[in-house]
Amino acid sequence: DVKVTQSSRYLVKRTGEKVFLECVQDMDHENMFWYRQDPGLGLRLIYFSYDVKMKEKGDIPEGYSVSREKKERFSLILESASTNQTSMYLCASHKGRWLDQPQHFGDGTRLSIL
Amino acid sequence: AQSVAQPEDQVNVAEGNPLTVKCTYSVSGNPYLFWYVQYPNRGLQFLLKYITGDNLVKGSYGFEAEFNKSQTSFHLKKPSALVSDSALYFCAVKSNTGKLIFGQGTTLQVKP
Repeated sequence: DVKVTQSSRYLVKRTGEKVFLECVQDMDHENMFWYRQDPGLGLRLIYFSYDVKMKEKGDIPEGYSVSREKKERFSLILESASTNQTSMYLCASHKGRWLDQPQHFGDGTRLSIL
Repeated sequence: AQSVAQPEDQVNVAEGNPLTVKCTYSVSGNPYLFWYVQYPNRGLQFLLKYITGDNLVKGSYGFEAEFNKSQTSFHLKKPSALVSDSALYFCAVKSNTGKLIFGQGTTLQVKP
């Protein structure tokens, strides 16, 4: 079974801090994604990556950056955390280029910015 | 614009009754459609997908979905609901740029 592991289940940070969310997958998937989930809004794509050192902006990239130095690891960075970034963050991965394969999700990180 | 709509925020059904969770989509070309389920404090789990072929797709945990091209719908169904089916369900479609577009989610509540 594919396993996508997010380093923290719950995280509390302060406004202005630099925050790192880590995600690791163990199935050699090329594609990795970061979403945020907010009630009533579904999942919104922040950034994604099709290969090592490659990144592309999703629908809501403002205030975020990412890093993919190794194939299995995809990090989301909040450069200067703000209260409106309080949310559930989900990492996902899938194999193949054309998304006919399902995405596999981690259990999420619930981030609170105070 | 490409989009997915789940018109019901919540669906309530009694255990043993059939259930339907609705999804409509708007995307050009042939759609790739997915259903996912999310249990409390967990990530999304894949249920089923439609890529091509039979309009009735069978998936995990006894769920199935019917693709209707003329109505641009992909409703999730199960003949007999279980209390353990209570969860948040997401419909998603692959956009023309290759990304997944998710609906806003429907909470399914199955009562004993």
